[in-house]
Order: sequence, then structure tokens, then C-alpha cells
Amino acid sequence: QQPVQSPQAVILREGEDAVINCSSSKALYSVHWYRQKHGEAPVFLMILLKGGEQKGHDKISASFNEKKQQSSLYLTASQLSYSGTYFCGTERLRALRTGGGADGLTFGKGTHLIIQP
Amino acid sequence: DTEVTQTPKHLVMGMTNKKSLKCEQHMGHRAMYWYKQKAKKPPELMFVYSYEKLSINESVPSRFSPECPNSSLLNLHLHALQPEDSALYLCASSQPGDRGGGELFFGEGSRLTVL
Repeated sequence: QQPVQSPQAVILREGEDAVINCSSSKALYSVHWYRQKHGEAPVFLMILLKGGEQKGHDKISASFNEKKQQSSLYLTASQLSYSGTYFCGTERLRALRTGGGADGLTFGKGTHLIIQP
Repeated sequence: DTEVTQTPKHLVMGMTNKKSLKCEQHMGHRAMYWYKQKAKKPPELMFVYSYEKLSINESVPSRFSPECPNSSLLNLHLHALQPEDSALYLCASSQPGDRGGGELFFGEGSRLTVL
């Protein structure tokens, strides 16, 4: 089942902060975040594997609330290079899978982020 | 080498043609994926190969036929496609871990146009 992302679009001035949310009605093992620029492939940002885990990457960080099956991506002091579409991708708990290995990610509809100078 | 290479980058085909999309990775990953992406939409999972075995087929029409000749290669065979199949086809790979599929590395995609 597709995770729900919000907001659909954000317009920021350079240096401002943004939060993108992702929620699922299904129990998750992990949440991934990817950024895709126009005409390019999605690029991995980070993966969150445990409840309450937070990860950071430069000025981009994320959290995962396992109890609520929600994840948030935080972009602080945004730069022009942050523009693009952000997708969360969710992976179900292994116990709920029909087999081993990988099941692939189900992506949310995306959040279109525009950073203006 | 952290690349996933897809060929061709662009493909135009008629509805009666047979063509193939190819994907290659040399990262030693044991999971490979095909995703379909329409404009302004998220990638949509089509097939997953885990350890060279087809593990996920997301109810994809039989006019799409995946093949995984070995752990580095993934093909998508196309036959009798419809104009609505026009899209960007993304290949990805990952290394499955103890309980998860791992970070996805995407290729640049093959942009398919069906006339």
C-alpha cells in the first residue's frame, strides 16, 4: 500500500527550513528517502531502520516513529541544490513478507521542493 | 564501481515490435528491480529479482517479460506494447541484508515511446 506524503509541494527561499512527512498504514521495517531532479534518476538520501531512529546527512536529517509508522525528512538552511522531488519509499516488515530477500520499495507520490534564491 | 547502467537510453517502438531493455551492475548486489515511472509520478514497482529468482511480480501484463541471466544482468523484454506503456523504465539494484532489501541504486533509465 502506497505511503502518504505531505505536503505535495513546497516553495522556499534559500536558507529556509522544510519538513516532509511520510506515513503508512502498514507495519514497516524501513523507510527510505530519495531525491529526484528533473530528467535524472532518484538518488538515495538515507534509510531509517529502527523505531525512533534519526539519521543525518549534512543539513538533511530524518526520523522514523515506529509506533506511528511515520517518518519525517528535515531540510535545514536549504540550498539551491536541494530543489527536486523527494520520495519516501517504504519496506514492509520481513515477518509479513511471503519470501526472503528483497521485496522492493513502495514510493509515496512525492513532494516537489522549489528553492528560490 | 557504484553504477547501474541501462541501455538503450531512448527507445521508440511500434505496437507490433519486440525489443529489450538491458541493465547491468557490478556492485555484487543480489537484488535487482524494474520500476516504471510516468511523468510527475513516483516510480512504480514492476518486478524484483532476489538472488536471480523472480520474487515479486506486481501484476504486470504479460507483454512485459523480465529475465535475469546472472547476478549482474537484468533484462526486460517488450512485446506488443500499448501507447500507454510509454514511460521511463528504471532499473535498480541493492544488497539484501538480514531483514531488508537495502539501499536502491538506480540507473538513469530507458525512456520508452510506443507509437
